[in-house]
Amino acid sequence: GAGVSQSPSNKVTEKGKDVELRCDPISGHTALYWYRQRLGQGLEFLIYFQGNSAPDKSGLPSDRFSAERTGESVSTLTIQRTQQEDSAVYLCASSPAGGAYEQYFGPGTRLTVT
Amino acid sequence: SQKIEQNSEALNIQEGKTATLTCNYTNYSPAYLQWYRQDPGRGPVFLLLIRENEKEKRKERLKVTFDTTLKQSLFHITASQPADSATYLCALTFTGGGNKLTFGTGTQLKVEL
Repeated sequence: GAGVSQSPSNKVTEKGKDVELRCDPISGHTALYWYRQRLGQGLEFLIYFQGNSAPDKSGLPSDRFSAERTGESVSTLTIQRTQQEDSAVYLCASSPAGGAYEQYFGPGTRLTVT
Repeated sequence: SQKIEQNSEALNIQEGKTATLTCNYTNYSPAYLQWYRQDPGRGPVFLLLIRENEKEKRKERLKVTFDTTLKQSLFHITASQPADSATYLCALTFTGGGNKLTFGTGTQLKVEL
């Protein structure tokens, strides 16, 4: 079946512009996660959605970052007024539920802020 | 603060040998620990999950141990192959931390002929 998909695969933007990244999770997966991975670094948790519960936003680095999810489907991560330090790969993952389940990752969106 | 440490130096081993990767953590009450494989330019792929009340888990050529006293997990690949070359990430979910995973920085494994 289809895995997690993300778009765009690459995004180059000028400093100060807003960007929107999209994630399509695996159908039926109630949990969805966003991570950031800087070059040569591990994954940094950003935000977690589980069903209709309030999202866990504890990893968002600043108020320039926000994310939405409609029901148990598509999620968008928005970065406003991008800065050069926002350059990274943004990874989305979904899992059948929250808790002790493996996460299925998309290929990521590589964001470059010039 | 919580911290997960993996050996940042690459591990080079010969084909057929057993690769052993280490994951150490501090200040966690872990609920469960996961290992993922990541190839360049791709998202991580799940390998194994072990809960805090389990000592060992196996899957084919893979074995994970979890010692909550030492605050350490070991990840073994037996009869290693060049196709096992990748970066291996350790990730923890801790009690009271919700459902988010905290990842280590990964260890790069290279299996040589």
